[in-house]
Amino acid sequence: QPVLTQPTSLSASPGASARFTCTLRSAINVGSYRIYWYQQKPGSLPRYLLRYQSDSDKQQGSGVPSRFSGSKDASTNAGLLLISGLQSEDEADYYCAIWYTSTWVFGGGTKLTVL
Amino acid sequence: DVQLVESGGGVVQPGGSLRLSCAASGFMFDDYAMHWVRQTPGKGLEWVGLISGDADRTYYADSMKGRFTISRDNSRNSLYLQMNSLRAEDTALYYCAKDMGPGYSYGGAYYYYGLDVWGQGTTVTVSS
Repeated sequence: QPVLTQPTSLSASPGASARFTCTLRSAINVGSYRIYWYQQKPGSLPRYLLRYQSDSDKQQGSGVPSRFSGSKDASTNAGLLLISGLQSEDEADYYCAIWYTSTWVFGGGTKLTVL
Repeated sequence: DVQLVESGGGVVQPGGSLRLSCAASGFMFDDYAMHWVRQTPGKGLEWVGLISGDADRTYYADSMKGRFTISRDNSRNSLYLQMNSLRAEDTALYYCAKDMGPGYSYGGAYYYYGLDVWGQGTTVTVSS
């Protein structure tokens, strides 16, 4: 079982919200980890979006709009990225990451299509 | 502005070696840990390893341990990745990336703040 599992694709309409999940291996408690999110548009560099540990320990990347937010779902052991008010420019790959046993681990990424 | 410029990529035969460099500017280089990350065309991000700001600590992904070595020269604001015993599966775009801090110790372990700025990458192709 991978350390981090992300759905391969997600589609949503302009103006709607998109919810990305990053599920941690069952033996790894999401509550103990900061979840990092990155966006990569086609042909571009990865961009740091935000990190989320809790509502009192979170950070927005420089210049990242507030319509990008993070949270966790303890019931599914997952980190979440929510994008509200979707725009066509949000179409990209989204990766989660954690610092786990002295290594950085990236999820496989979710491709967002804005229809 | 923070700028990271990788160089040194190219075509190398299986079993060969290559040394990548990353020139950093726009920030206090030795105040930050630095990473290497790679990406195969059409695939996801794979973390290669990191080096602490003072170069005292290095960490590697399991698949790179023993073959790849990360170093830095803080006097030159430069980061390096020495890659030995290269395999076809090492073919990728290699990025250097800046961490958001130097790292910190807590409970006997070290933690890092996360990658925030990435270079444009340099391509490595391992092929005969």
